[in-house]
Amino acid sequence: RKEVEQDPGPFNVPEGATVAFNCTYSNSASQSFFWYRQDCRKEPKLLMSVYSSGNEDGRFTAQLNRASQYISLLIRDSKLSDSATYLCVVNGQGNQFYFGTGTSLTVIP
Amino acid sequence: NAGVTQTPKFRILKIGQSMTLQCAQDMNHNYMYWYRQDPGMGLKLIYYSVGAGITDKGEVPNGYNVSRSTTEDFPLRLELAAPSQTSVYFCASSYSGFGNTIYFGEGSWLTVV
Repeated sequence: RKEVEQDPGPFNVPEGATVAFNCTYSNSASQSFFWYRQDCRKEPKLLMSVYSSGNEDGRFTAQLNRASQYISLLIRDSKLSDSATYLCVVNGQGNQFYFGTGTSLTVIP
Repeated sequence: NAGVTQTPKFRILKIGQSMTLQCAQDMNHNYMYWYRQDPGMGLKLIYYSVGAGITDKGEVPNGYNVSRSTTEDFPLRLELAAPSQTSVYFCASSYSGFGNTIYFGEGSWLTVV
């Protein structure tokens, strides 16, 4: 079983739509959780950290459910500039980072 | 704010050649990593280091070697390049501990022909 699993998409949504991504992780001892964004032919960059209490940054909201071992990202009022691949990242024991394969989002005018 | 710096950005190698991808970070991070990412695929860990003088294999180490003589530098050596090593390579670094994030270099695009 993979450490981190994501729906690869693609998600094609119109501008202004709300879109949600989910990811599951297999190791219940995992300690830290993140969403990264990767643009085409670029390096992954931190979008936001994910906490059990939830984390909101403008139009982006991330949630962690430890009991079910899943992480979510909600994007409201989608912009064209949100088009990218979103990576779910889990930091486990030994400071090892485990990456999902990414969910592709295209926001359509 | 240099962060993680990788060189070269692009390189074409012939089968059987060897080369070194350079990586340096100026954030005093103890952990450094090398990943490869094939088109449309996820990141795969090649090697990592928890500090100067200490390295360990990741998921796909075959055909590669690393060294970590200083905190700042973590070069990746490709020996006897093969077409299967055509990929984009990302160097990354982080602190250890709860909540610490990982920072990536801009990537090195390698083609083996």
